[in-house]
Amino acid sequence: EDKVVQSPLSLVVHEGDTVTLNCSYEVTNFRSLLWYKQEKKAPTFLFMLTSSGIEKKSGRLSSILDKKELFSILNITATQTGDSAIYLCAVSGSARQLTFGSGTQLTVLP
Amino acid sequence: DVKVTQSSRYLVKRTGEKVFLECVQDMDHENMFWYRQDPGLGLRLIYFSYDVKMKEKGDIPEGYSVSREKKERFSLILESASTNQTSMYLCAGRTNMNTEAFFGQGTRLTVV
Repeated sequence: EDKVVQSPLSLVVHEGDTVTLNCSYEVTNFRSLLWYKQEKKAPTFLFMLTSSGIEKKSGRLSSILDKKELFSILNITATQTGDSAIYLCAVSGSARQLTFGSGTQLTVLP
Repeated sequence: DVKVTQSSRYLVKRTGEKVFLECVQDMDHENMFWYRQDPGLGLRLIYFSYDVKMKEKGDIPEGYSVSREKKERFSLILESASTNQTSMYLCAGRTNMNTEAFFGQGTRLTVV
């Protein structure tokens, strides 16, 4: 059974801080790891990491994948109040399903 | 524009009713998923489908069934709704295991 564990479960920071969100996983025949951001609606896609793409960056957000240690981190630098959301990590393996973790609730205070 | 569309944003049903949640995608996705989301528990997979008429149980299939008669439509069925099925339900579509998944807007179901 595929498994995804995210930490911390919640985080409160002030604008301008840098945050690191963690995602560890167990999956049979790893194919990809995905990060999503969810505000008061459906999750929106941030990054997908695979064996051939272990680092991604978009503006203030970046992510890396460590396939040996079976984890990924999502970094957000110079946080803004608009970054407040639930951040979800998901993995995909040979079982075709997409398994999510419980998410990290990030709150950025002005 | 890419679309995964769920038929209802909000639903209120009575205990014991049979409930249908519909999801339609226009992206030619092979794979479709139904999740429920509860506070602190993230997205839990109920069922998924990787082809027409094919379905696989996820982590919490009890009390649910699904139907995929056409590629673009994936329905979630609550055979006899119970109050513990009150939740946010999210449908997603994915072209294959090497692409991102796109989500519908969610259906908030309340069973009274």
